[in-house]
Amino acid sequence: EVQLVESGGGLVQPGGSLRLSCAASGFPFSSSNMNWVRQAPGKGLEWVSYISSSSSSIYYADSVKGRFTISRDNAKNSLYLQMNSLRDEDTAVYYCAREAGSGSYSSYWGQGTLVTVSS
Amino acid sequence: DIVMTQSPDSLAVSLGERATINCKSSQSVLYNSNNKNFLAWYQQKPGQPPKLLIYWASTRESGVPDRFSGSGSGTDFTLTISSLQAEDVAVYYCQQYYSISYTFGQGTKLEIK
Repeated sequence: EVQLVESGGGLVQPGGSLRLSCAASGFPFSSSNMNWVRQAPGKGLEWVSYISSSSSSIYYADSVKGRFTISRDNAKNSLYLQMNSLRDEDTAVYYCAREAGSGSYSSYWGQGTLVTVSS
Repeated sequence: DIVMTQSPDSLAVSLGERATINCKSSQSVLYNSNNKNFLAWYQQKPGQPPKLLIYWASTRESGVPDRFSGSGSGTDFTLTISSLQAEDVAVYYCQQYYSISYTFGQGTKLEIK
């Protein structure tokens, strides 16, 4: 069974940092492209970042570029999102999502972890 | 970035009736070399992550009931639920994966009339 379990969310002050993790199981993680997608409270979905299976290609939304860093450890079946210089508008549930092998749509999503940026 | 616009923002349909949600992209998401539309539909119920329903604009994900169907090409797409069931109450999102960033529509909230 495919499982994606996010962790690391919490309350952080503006300007602070947080590192999210996503533990993957039940599928060949090392050959899967991955994404982070977020959802502010009561709002829609916003794509945040992409990393290819080998980490050779990485992309970010303009809203987080220069502040967030995506990475992965294929030996540990884990995906990460380092978030620095956090702002109020970064408050959201952050989902990790696995891309399908045949295309860049997200076939599996984790349950999400809530990040709250507030003083 | 490609802008995805859904209509309507909300929709109330009677049980057993047809529900139609539209999605328009600011530029074509049809890749001419393979004639595929890089468009997916997701369903999100309260407190749950999104669930993939449709990809390549019209291919139903395994396990998704056949009352869900996707159509369209280029810039205009439609998600149709042929006979609304109570468990279909949710927010529906379209997403283009033609180009990074993978933008979503704003969502359409579907309720029972």
